[in-house]
Amino acid sequence: SQQGEEDPQALSIQEGENATMNCSYKTSINNLQWYRQNSGRGLVHLILIRSNEREKHSGRLRVTLDTSKKSSSLLITASRAADTASYFCATPSNDYKLSFGAGTTVTVRA
Amino acid sequence: GAVVSQHPSRVICKSGTSVKIECRSLDFQATTMFWYRQFPKQSLMLMATSNEGSKATYEQGVEKDKFLINHASLTLSTLTVTSAHPEDSSFYICSAPHRGTNYGYTFGSGTRLTVV
Repeated sequence: SQQGEEDPQALSIQEGENATMNCSYKTSINNLQWYRQNSGRGLVHLILIRSNEREKHSGRLRVTLDTSKKSSSLLITASRAADTASYFCATPSNDYKLSFGAGTTVTVRA
Repeated sequence: GAVVSQHPSRVICKSGTSVKIECRSLDFQATTMFWYRQFPKQSLMLMATSNEGSKATYEQGVEKDKFLINHASLTLSTLTVTSAHPEDSSFYICSAPHRGTNYGYTFGSGTRLTVV
């Protein structure tokens, strides 16, 4: 089942610019995870933020979490053509099931 | 890192035939494997959960006789689409939470099924 919404649905930016996408979820969580999916491929885990964390960095990625608003954001800085992909947030339930957001499709123009 | 190998990556089959998709955990034991379905430009929808040595559990609306899941060993889970029809054409992906819910999950590379 889908956990919530992501916005925007699609994002087109110039190489070198930053890309920000947001995710909202409905239930209480232990952590929130972000994944990338290249066209026609499986998902790759990018970063996980725990419910007691507010911000986390990994390379050019920055994730924030606001549990009071049940929302998270993913920022990709200094985007590259290789960042072109769909990005999904996901939250695990107690029975290990991952619920995915609707996804944001990012296109980085050279 | 943990790898889940999924095969085949693409398959085209005729209506009425069955197709088997395999997911193997290469360097860890996957006691649980999740199977997802994804339509174009949409998110992943969980179909079923397979557990090694026990029956799979299916999400609401997923026909268990249509989508047969077997998890006979700690490294292999299979999804068989039986009597496939064009509406079964989709992208199928498996995933294993190899280190529990506080770590990222590992996904297979997906199988593009086209039923003609």
